[in-house]
Amino acid sequence: GNSVTQMEGPVTLSEEAFLTINCTYTATGYPSLFWYVQYPGEGLQLLLKATKADDKGSNKGFEATYRKETTSFHLEKGSVQVSDSAVYFCALNRNTGNQFYFGTGTSLTVIP
Amino acid sequence: DAGVTQSPTHLIKTRGQHVTLRCSPISGHKSVSWYQQVLGQGPQFIFQYYEKEERGRGNFPDRFSARQFPNYSSELNVNALLLGDSALYLCASSYEQGPYEQYFGPGTRLTVT
Repeated sequence: GNSVTQMEGPVTLSEEAFLTINCTYTATGYPSLFWYVQYPGEGLQLLLKATKADDKGSNKGFEATYRKETTSFHLEKGSVQVSDSAVYFCALNRNTGNQFYFGTGTSLTVIP
Repeated sequence: DAGVTQSPTHLIKTRGQHVTLRCSPISGHKSVSWYQQVLGQGPQFIFQYYEKEERGRGNFPDRFSARQFPNYSSELNVNALLLGDSALYLCASSYEQGPYEQYFGPGTRLTVT
């Protein structure tokens, strides 16, 4: 089957700390991988994506590399800010339709 | 341009009742998907509609149904509501089918008492 597993939260970091949120996936075929972010009271927003192995998605200082050999797509940021506090979702799409499979989400709180 | 809009924002219903949720996609987007997000969980896929036809269905009972109109807006209907249907219902639109970016609306918060 198709599924996404994320590291459990919540994660609390001090401002300017390094962030890693782990994500691994199980999928048939060659999926595309995504990170979405959900700020309090808002809908999900696409943060970054990668469509094939070894691709690196990046946006707003966040990066994730599509690793086929380890079936992973870990999210990283070198220096987090208070404004990065949100819930982060890893997701995959099997490229055969529009169905996205989401992980359970990781809540991040950044304290000044 | 306006983003994906959903109505109503919040809704409280009683067990056994029926509910209709509405979604307007971004202008020009032909695909609409519906997701259920239970508190503390990731969104679960319910339906996808493209060009007014159902193109995908998740593992949800027949109490859940949807349709897409000629202007690409969509309705999600849930019959015989159960307490477990309490969730945030998200609508997402994209220009085409496939692994394209989905733009999510703010959701409808449904509470079943």
